[in-house]
Amino acid sequence: GQNIDQPTEMTATEGAIVQINCTYQTSGFNGLFWYQQHAGEAPTFLSYNVLDGLEEKGRFSSFLSRSKGYSYLLLKELQMKDSASYLCAYRTNKLIFGTGTLLAVQP
Amino acid sequence: GAVVSQHPSWVICKSGTSVKIECRSLDFQATTMFWYRQFPKQSLMLMATSNEGSKATYEQGVEKDKFLINHASLTLSTLTVTSAHPEDSSFYICSATSRTSGTYEQYFGPGTRLTVT
Repeated sequence: GQNIDQPTEMTATEGAIVQINCTYQTSGFNGLFWYQQHAGEAPTFLSYNVLDGLEEKGRFSSFLSRSKGYSYLLLKELQMKDSASYLCAYRTNKLIFGTGTLLAVQP
Repeated sequence: GAVVSQHPSWVICKSGTSVKIECRSLDFQATTMFWYRQFPKQSLMLMATSNEGSKATYEQGVEKDKFLINHASLTLSTLTVTSAHPEDSSFYICSATSRTSGTYEQYFGPGTRLTVT
């Protein structure tokens, strides 16, 4: 099966930090992706983790623990434009997407 | 670099007609192209995977006779929704992987919104 879970919705305040968690179960694993998707648009690539640890890219960081089947996306210094859905996806020979976390950034 | 385009960006068609959606990789050769469908407030569901010059591999539950995929070249794949019905109304997104992409990153097209009346 395609077991990948993330919270449905989150709310955070402008300027704050938010962490979006993702858990997965798979027998084959070739990396974990995070995408951002604004309503009515295609997903845009944020990060890729294949080894354990933290990958930092500007205001966004992504963490992976393969043994725990766990990843998170950390967004710092939140801006209003960060309001979007955030999709985690693990890769086998294809990408398996979670249902997405709708993040609302409030003033 | 790594731009994927889709055409049309939106289309409205009558029930029973067929609609073709094009997906092009503009500045790279795509090893593989993927077709996804996304219903409102839901995540992307993979419909099929296509490699240039070979038959597409469809996911379970996706009718290959209804969703025809042709991957004619390393830069073009088409999805034809045959005999469309209102329940086929959805956001269709293609993506492509580059032969040179070391991260296996998929580059997504902007999507095509199909409305069947």
